[in-house]
Amino acid sequence: QKEVEQNSGPLSVPEGAIASLNCTYSDRGSQSFFWYRQYSGKSPELIMSIYSNGDKEDGRFTAQLNKASQYVSLLIRDSQPSDSATYLCAARSGNTGKLIFGQGTTLQVKP
Amino acid sequence: DGGITQSPKYLFRKEGQNVTLSCEQNLNHDAMYWYRQDPGQGLRLIYYSQIVNDFQKGDIAEGYSVSREKKESFPLTVTSAQKNPTAFYLCASTTGGTNEQFFGPGTRLTVL
Repeated sequence: QKEVEQNSGPLSVPEGAIASLNCTYSDRGSQSFFWYRQYSGKSPELIMSIYSNGDKEDGRFTAQLNKASQYVSLLIRDSQPSDSATYLCAARSGNTGKLIFGQGTTLQVKP
Repeated sequence: DGGITQSPKYLFRKEGQNVTLSCEQNLNHDAMYWYRQDPGQGLRLIYYSQIVNDFQKGDIAEGYSVSREKKESFPLTVTSAQKNPTAFYLCASTTGGTNEQFFGPGTRLTVL
């Protein structure tokens, strides 16, 4: 069974700090990776996609991909209380094309 | 506005009833998906469809059925055979190029 692993948290950071969220995946055939933000009671919202090794920046968010280590991360700079949510990591299966989701990491940003 | 709509937002089912959850998208996406999310859990794939008139079972298809008669619509029926249907149901669709997947607002189903 192909898996995506995340620490469930909660990860607690003070306002203004950098939050670092990590994810590992088992399918070496995966080529596409995604980060979703899910507020309590709401549906997941796509915030970052990454397809190549290295960093991809979008505003306060940076996604990092290391295919050799099968590791994906999301950095949130200048964390705000409004960033408090569950962050889901997903990898597209190399065989089926389906998304495999991790369990999610809960982030708490304290004012 | 382009997007994915799901209805109803809340649904209550009595024991032994079948209920149908609606999912419509006007994004011209070919692929559509149904997921189930239980409290504190990740997303589990129920069914998916990559083209009209074709669909495949996901990881937890037992007790569910779907149809895909139109590109825009992918309704999910929760049958009486599904023994524990109380959950948050999410519909999603995927772009053709970047394969990014977007979600509808969800339907929260409760069994009375």
